[in-house]
Amino acid sequence: RKEVEQDPGPFNVPEGATVAFNCTYSNSASQSFFWYRQDCRKEPKLLMSVYSSGNEDGRFTAQLNRASQYISLLIRDSKLSDSATYLCVVNVNAGKSTFGDGTTLTVKP
Amino acid sequence: DTAVSQTPKYLVTQMGNDKSIKCEQNLGHDTMYWYKQDSKKFLKIMFSYNNKELIINETVPNRFSPKSPDKAHLNLHINSLELGDSAVYFCASSQGTGGYNEQFFGPGTRLTVL
Repeated sequence: RKEVEQDPGPFNVPEGATVAFNCTYSNSASQSFFWYRQDCRKEPKLLMSVYSSGNEDGRFTAQLNRASQYISLLIRDSKLSDSATYLCVVNVNAGKSTFGDGTTLTVKP
Repeated sequence: DTAVSQTPKYLVTQMGNDKSIKCEQNLGHDTMYWYKQDSKKFLKIMFSYNNKELIINETVPNRFSPKSPDKAHLNLHINSLELGDSAVYFCASSQGTGGYNEQFFGPGTRLTVL
């Protein structure tokens, strides 16, 4: 079983749609969690950290469920510019981040 | 004022050659990383350095040798290049090794081995 698993998609949604991605992790000792975004042929960039209490940043909401060992990302009112690959990242040990294989989102007009 | 820079951006070379990729960060971070992203877009950590000391080595062939002359630089030397080494190599940095720190990535070096 992979340490971090994501549904690869692709997710194709119309503008304005709400879309949710899930990510599961296998190591219950995982300490911290993030969502990164990677545009085509670009480097990954931090989208948001994921906290136990859940957190929101504008149209983006991240949730963590430690009991079930998954994190989620919800995007409301999708924009064309949201089209990208979304990477779930889980840290167990200091200095080591495990990236999921990414979920590809395409938002269409 | 690029935060994490890598050179070269593109590298095309023949099998068996030796090549180096350089990385520099001007963020004052203590920790630097090398990642490999293959053709299927899977991003895997290769090495992590903290204050010039190796802290993570993820079962990478010993043809790959990182070197950190100071905490702002982490270079990657690859000996006897193989076809399977073709990938995008990303350098990254973060403040400390704590798992709560954001990583900042360089633009990547696209390596093609012919």
